[in-house]
Amino acid sequence: GAVVSQHPSRVICKSGTSVKIECRSLDFQATTMFWYRQFPKQSLMLMATSNEGSKATYEQGVEKDKFLINHASLTLSTLTVTSAHPEDSSFYICSASGSPSTGELFFGEGSRLTVL
Amino acid sequence: GQSLEQPSEVTAVEGAIVQINCTYQTSGFYGLSWYQQHDGGAPTFLSYNALDGLEETGRFSSFLSRSDSYGYLLLQELQMKDSASYFCALKVGGKLIFGQGTELSVKP
Repeated sequence: GAVVSQHPSRVICKSGTSVKIECRSLDFQATTMFWYRQFPKQSLMLMATSNEGSKATYEQGVEKDKFLINHASLTLSTLTVTSAHPEDSSFYICSASGSPSTGELFFGEGSRLTVL
Repeated sequence: GQSLEQPSEVTAVEGAIVQINCTYQTSGFYGLSWYQQHDGGAPTFLSYNALDGLEETGRFSSFLSRSDSYGYLLLQELQMKDSASYFCALKVGGKLIFGQGTELSVKP
């Protein structure tokens, strides 16, 4: 299957700083990528849909100014957590669509953010 | 909106068969997917049902009944490595909406 790479895998930052997470599709072009957030032992909550060359579509309740998403190329989407606070600590996972005929998403390895 | 319900935990023994159920509520969807996730890892795709009926992929099978708003994942010949969380997910438009997940523990 297709490979989606996410970086960094772990990041620790101080409260009030901003953190950027990169999501790359390594062997295919992804016009659409999805960003999820997952708390321990919980579900994957869709945060936003990232569309190449246009603004991201955020899910209800997700702060656009807090979680900045940029999809500047067909192989790269970035999530920036601005002015991070301890409650933003979570596992953030990106994904890209696979076959349009199936529900398959290719997921990155995830980024564990810890805000001190 | 959409909602999905799965049991939070299931325990089974090695070599056995286990079924993980998923009921859902939605006004419309394209299909039901199943994903496996080991602790700290990325979810991996297992199966997808666009139509009612059974889909079989090796030891894993998935079933969908649209009239009952119900699906299940069947795992046969359980192995220790199958211990993981399993998520059902609705494909709605281009998005996947995930259930809460079922933690499967396989015992020797």
